[in-house]
Amino acid sequence: AQSVTQLDSQVPVFEEAPVELRCNYSSSVSVYLFWYVQYPNQGLQLLLKYLSGSTLVKGINGFEAEFNKSQTSFHLRKPSVHISDTAEYFCAVRPKTGANNLFFGTGTRLTVIP
Amino acid sequence: DTAVSQTPKYLVTQMGNDKSIKCEQNLGHDTMYWYKQDSKKFLKIMFSYNNKELIINETVPNRFSPKSPDKAHLNLHINSLELGDSAVYFCASSQNPADIQYFGAGTRLSVL
Repeated sequence: AQSVTQLDSQVPVFEEAPVELRCNYSSSVSVYLFWYVQYPNQGLQLLLKYLSGSTLVKGINGFEAEFNKSQTSFHLRKPSVHISDTAEYFCAVRPKTGANNLFFGTGTRLTVIP
Repeated sequence: DTAVSQTPKYLVTQMGNDKSIKCEQNLGHDTMYWYKQDSKKFLKIMFSYNNKELIINETVPNRFSPKSPDKAHLNLHINSLELGDSAVYFCASSQNPADIQYFGAGTRLSVL
C-alpha cells in the first residue's frame, strides 16, 4: 500500500523569500514521485517528476525537488517565490509495478504575501 | 487547443437526479482516468480506461459508471445523485498506464 503525507496544510511566505513544501511517503514497492500544482479554479498541472537518475530534479517555474530514499521524502523548494506561485501543491506517488494509480497527498496551500 | 477538456465546468443538481460529465483529450493518449477531489482537497482515483478496457475500478458506488465511446473520450455517468457526491471531478489522460498523467480543469458538482 502507498500513502503520501504533506505535513503542512498551509504555508504563508513573503514574496521573494525561499520556500520548502514537505512531502513524505510510504510504500511497500518502489515508486515514481510527482509534484502537481493547482492554481485557483484550474486543473492540476505537472510541476516536476522523479523517475530515475539524479535525485535533484528541476521543474517549471523555478521549482526543484530532491528525492531522499532513506528518508522517503520528496520535498519541493523554490529559492525566491512570486505572487503568482500562490496555489495548492500536491505531492503524489505511483508504484513502479502493479497498479498505475497516482496516490496523492492532501495538498499544501502556498500563499505568497506581497 | 486544450489538451484535456471537461464539460460542464460547474454542475448544480438535485438529489436523485442522473447526470453526466464529459471528458475529451486530443493528445492521442490510450489511457484516461477519473479522479474525485473532496471538500478537503483529497484526490482519489475512481476509474481508468486503457484502449476502452477498464483496468482500474476502485471501490466507488455502482451509481458511477464510466463510458468510453472511443479512446479520446471517457464520460462519467452518475445515477441517483446523493449529497455526498458533491466534489470536484477531474479527468486525466496518459500515453499508457505507466506514463505521466495530464489533467483537465475539473468539474465542480454540487448536489442540493
